[in-house]
Amino acid sequence: NAGVTQTPKFQVLKTGQSMTLQCAQDMNHEYMSWYRQDPGMGLRLIHYSVGAGITDQGEVPNGYNVSRSTTEDFPLRLLSAAPSQTSVYFCASSIGQGLDYTFGSGTRLTVV
Amino acid sequence: EDQVTQSPEALRLQEGESSSLNCSYTVSGLRGLFWYRQDPGKGPEFLFTLYSAGEEKEKERLKATLTKKESFLHITAPKPEDSATYLCAVPNPYNTDKLIFGTGTRLQVFP
Repeated sequence: NAGVTQTPKFQVLKTGQSMTLQCAQDMNHEYMSWYRQDPGMGLRLIHYSVGAGITDQGEVPNGYNVSRSTTEDFPLRLLSAAPSQTSVYFCASSIGQGLDYTFGSGTRLTVV
Repeated sequence: EDQVTQSPEALRLQEGESSSLNCSYTVSGLRGLFWYRQDPGKGPEFLFTLYSAGEEKEKERLKATLTKKESFLHITAPKPEDSATYLCAVPNPYNTDKLIFGTGTRLQVFP
């Protein structure tokens, strides 16, 4: 099925470890975003991209890094994991500005 | 500060008992309002986009409406399979590449 694929689905990290959350879409969408979802806080934008080679910060970018070398892929890197980064992470893509996003199924990350 | 507020936080309905969910926003120059449905353990699934006051959209038992300050998601004769969290979001008026999400309404429909 076409859509947004996120891997892994679950991950446990130790404080200080680094890792990359993978996101790929096969809909030729230019816009891609990473959100985190925490209880009582809703979805918050971490980083986003409006096309290959272009990325920008969202509202909670600290501790995360992104790159967009292809239209299809938008990985999210945690540089040095902290317990405050325990959350559910969603990748999303859209065909254009101001249009609806298609979300992946999420990665549940626990940092101990 | 631009905000999106959803109410109630949680709603329990008997099957067939119609009700409405509210999404109010304080952003100026609205450039669309999105409704999503989210099932436990899954990502949000797009339902509707509304762009102008007075606009309405329907899908099965759901109808979304928009005024200048808020949107309503009306659920008519709900079924247990309508149980989910319903999210609304609006584009940041200063950068429409960014969405501002509400915290959602968790709907439970009992048979």
